[in-house]
Amino acid sequence: AQKITQTQPGMFVQEKEAVTLDCTYDTSDQSYGLFWYKQPSSGEMIFLIYQGSYDEQNATEGRYSLNFQKARKSANLVISASQLGDSAMYFCAMRGPPGGGNKLTFGTGTQLKVEL
Amino acid sequence: DTGVSQNPRHKITKRGQNVTFRCDPISEHNRLYWYRQTLGQGPEFLTYFQNEAQLEKSRLLSDRFSAERPKGSFSTLEIQRTEQGDSAMYLCASSSLEGQEKLFFGSGTQLSVL
Repeated sequence: AQKITQTQPGMFVQEKEAVTLDCTYDTSDQSYGLFWYKQPSSGEMIFLIYQGSYDEQNATEGRYSLNFQKARKSANLVISASQLGDSAMYFCAMRGPPGGGNKLTFGTGTQLKVEL
Repeated sequence: DTGVSQNPRHKITKRGQNVTFRCDPISEHNRLYWYRQTLGQGPEFLTYFQNEAQLEKSRLLSDRFSAERPKGSFSTLEIQRTEQGDSAMYLCASSSLEGQEKLFFGSGTQLSVL
């Protein structure tokens, strides 16, 4: 079974600072994918970044980067130059190997608040 | 390029009533998923379709829940004899079979059972 653990229920960061949101995962699969989604108060889940288990480079998407440490089974999200609009709930999620239907297992989320 | 659309956005119902939600995925996406999210939790997988075939159902999906995707386009999720424990956000997502297979989510239907 797959499990995602997010140990930070809430985080505060000052505008323009960088922030790291933690995510650890547990799986016995060799092939898997890791995702981060942002959920603002409107409710929609917005895709941020993806890391495949065989990707050698850490994924980056604009101000988002994923610090992937496979041996430690961690996939932390780094947001650089935080903006007020980054205030939202952030979820780490895992996809199983191909053929498993691509359903995602989510963590409990981290509420990020960006302050002036 | 329209995203995933869900209707209604909010639904308030009395315990014991039936409710139906609709999801319109991104048009070229083959896969469609239903998730349920309760307060303070991440979304939990309920079921998914590939085209019109329902390929997997979670144990969370009791006999009172039924989902359909009759023509491989939009999908409906029906809950019969609603219970207060059914109160949650119901999220729909779709994906293609190509690339990262990332899921695109709708804004959800917030169900409140009184």
